[in-house]
Amino acid sequence: DGGITQSPKYLFRKEGQNVTLSCEQNLNHDAMYWYRQDPGQGLRLIYYSQIVNDFQKGDIAEGYSVSREKKESFPLTVTSAQKNPTAFYLCASSIRTDTPQHFGDGTRLSIL
Amino acid sequence: AQTVTQSQPEMSVQEAETVTLSCTYDTSESDYYLFWYKQPPSRQMILVIRQEAYKQQNATENRFSVNFQKAAKSFSLKISDSQLGDAAMYFCAYSSNNNDMRFGAGTRLTVKP
Repeated sequence: DGGITQSPKYLFRKEGQNVTLSCEQNLNHDAMYWYRQDPGQGLRLIYYSQIVNDFQKGDIAEGYSVSREKKESFPLTVTSAQKNPTAFYLCASSIRTDTPQHFGDGTRLSIL
Repeated sequence: AQTVTQSQPEMSVQEAETVTLSCTYDTSESDYYLFWYKQPPSRQMILVIRQEAYKQQNATENRFSVNFQKAAKSFSLKISDSQLGDAAMYFCAYSSNNNDMRFGAGTRLTVKP
């Protein structure tokens, strides 16, 4: 079955540590996205990529970094510069930026 | 910048009744797309319905339909014959060829048995 796989489901970060969230899709989609969701709030865009080897900052990119070396993969690194990383992170993909997005099941990141 | 506003943080409906969730948006573009997504307690985001701005006819998917008013920049979701499984957060979203998808803050829908 085609879909988006995010891992891990739960992740804990120590102070000063970088952590990487994985997102893999086998839908052959060109566009991929990372969102952050805080409790009781909507989705805020961190980064998105419309094509391999290209990505754009979203509204809250500070403290995060991404890469898009392969069409199927769009990992998100939460760096130590992100002072409030505790949140639910959702990865999505779509054929183009104007088509419906398919979402992964999310990763919940907490601080130790 | 495009913005999406959902003015109802919470709504409730009696099982089998009809409820309408509101959404307004701001854009200067003429060609764009609007979506409603559902997020149940499992946190998975599920596409409910999609509307292309160039289409005058309102989109319908079984018990879900929209009232798309382009001039008013309004895109409400009507859920008919509400079921307990409809309880979730509902997000309105906007996208276009020139922009990434923008989400509203969401409306939490409670369905009372």
